[in-house]
Amino acid sequence: DGGITQSPKYLFRKEGQNVTLSCEQNLNHDAMYWYRQDPGQGLRLIYYSQIVNDFQKGDIAEGYSVSREKKESFPLTVTSAQKNPTAFYLCASSIAGAPRDEQFFGPGTRLTVL
Amino acid sequence: GNSVTQMEGPVTLSEEAFLTINCTYTATGYPSLFWYVQYPGEGLQLLLKATKADDKGSNKGFEATYRKETTSFHLEKGSVQVSDSAVYFCALKTSYDKVIFGPGTSLSVIP
Repeated sequence: DGGITQSPKYLFRKEGQNVTLSCEQNLNHDAMYWYRQDPGQGLRLIYYSQIVNDFQKGDIAEGYSVSREKKESFPLTVTSAQKNPTAFYLCASSIAGAPRDEQFFGPGTRLTVL
Repeated sequence: GNSVTQMEGPVTLSEEAFLTINCTYTATGYPSLFWYVQYPGEGLQLLLKATKADDKGSNKGFEATYRKETTSFHLEKGSVQVSDSAVYFCALKTSYDKVIFGPGTSLSVIP
């Protein structure tokens, strides 16, 4: 079955540590996205990528970094510079340049910084 | 710029009640419109979509019609069930790959 996997589902880290969230898709999609969701709030775009080896900042990129070395993978690193990293992180993918097509979402990673 | 506005929640309904969640948008050009649903602790799933004016998207008893004249895409269901309890997001997508999401509307259906 095609889909998006995110790991781990729950992640705990100490303040000041960098942490990397995994996102893998086997849908053959060119475009991939990272969103942050805080309790009772909508989705905020962190980074997105439309093609391998290229990515753009979203609305809240400060304190985060990404890489896109392979089409199927788009890992997100939450750095110590992110002031309030505790949140639910969602990865998504879609066909690039297809405005009529929806995004597909992974199950999410809940990050808690202690 | 592009934006999506949804009715404020939370919404609480009794089982078998009629549901309407309002969604209006602002966009240049001709966006595609989507409703996504998020169950507790999960990612978002596409519920339905419409890609041009007057299109009606439908799925699992939910419906929404793309109204260009009122820039709206209201979600409706004739008879809600407890299993419909979730957060619903309205979203738009233009010719670029970024999707604009509304803030979400939380729905609770009580037996």
